[in-house]
Amino acid sequence: DAGVTQSPTHLIKTRGQQVTLRCSPKSGHDTVSWYQQALGQGPQFIFQYYEEEERQRGNFPDRFSGHQFPNYSSELNVNALLLGDSALYLCASSWRRGNEQFFGPGTRLTVL
Amino acid sequence: AQSVSQHNHHVILSEAASLELGCNYSYGGTVNLFWYVQYPGQHLQLLLKYFSGDPLVKGIKGFEAEFIKSKFSFNLRKPSVQWSDTAEYFCAVIVLYGGSQGNLIFGKGTKLSVKP
Repeated sequence: DAGVTQSPTHLIKTRGQQVTLRCSPKSGHDTVSWYQQALGQGPQFIFQYYEEEERQRGNFPDRFSGHQFPNYSSELNVNALLLGDSALYLCASSWRRGNEQFFGPGTRLTVL
Repeated sequence: AQSVSQHNHHVILSEAASLELGCNYSYGGTVNLFWYVQYPGQHLQLLLKYFSGDPLVKGIKGFEAEFIKSKFSFNLRKPSVQWSDTAEYFCAVIVLYGGSQGNLIFGKGTKLSVKP
């Protein structure tokens, strides 16, 4: 049973660049949520996708956008990167926007 | 805004000691509560959850948590820790608004170090 997978594992970008992170949900899941985990902090909710639409959004600027594909996989895009965007980005999946979410290993983004 | 507070940033215990990690949340309505664990080099894993019913919930690896609604608390406990319990522990809450639900709100985490 494949769990949640994310790519890439690590990424280094410079300020002002754009980045795309990818997530494949656990087998049987149709909902994907994205979180940002800064060093020493708990994960913070960015947004959730279900049926290819953004269903909920946390307190993140419009520079953060996403997409969900018909196969339920998802992308997180961040434009105009800032130093403060350096963090671990986590993807979590669930079934029908259920409360029990399964997390992937994360993508470590470093912005120089 | 809703928030989750974890009282201890770093806890150091010897093997066989008892563990209690505090967690308080700020919302007075209906909530679902979770404890997640992150072992070194691994991803977040669900340790246990509370949705409704018996306020004492049991999770994996001998962990349990008690939901005390009057205290807005959901403390994690284990009678006897092992070196393999060394990890970071996160308390999280989902607020339920009528027929809909909010998103997972995490605490800042508690790092547990168990000395062999």
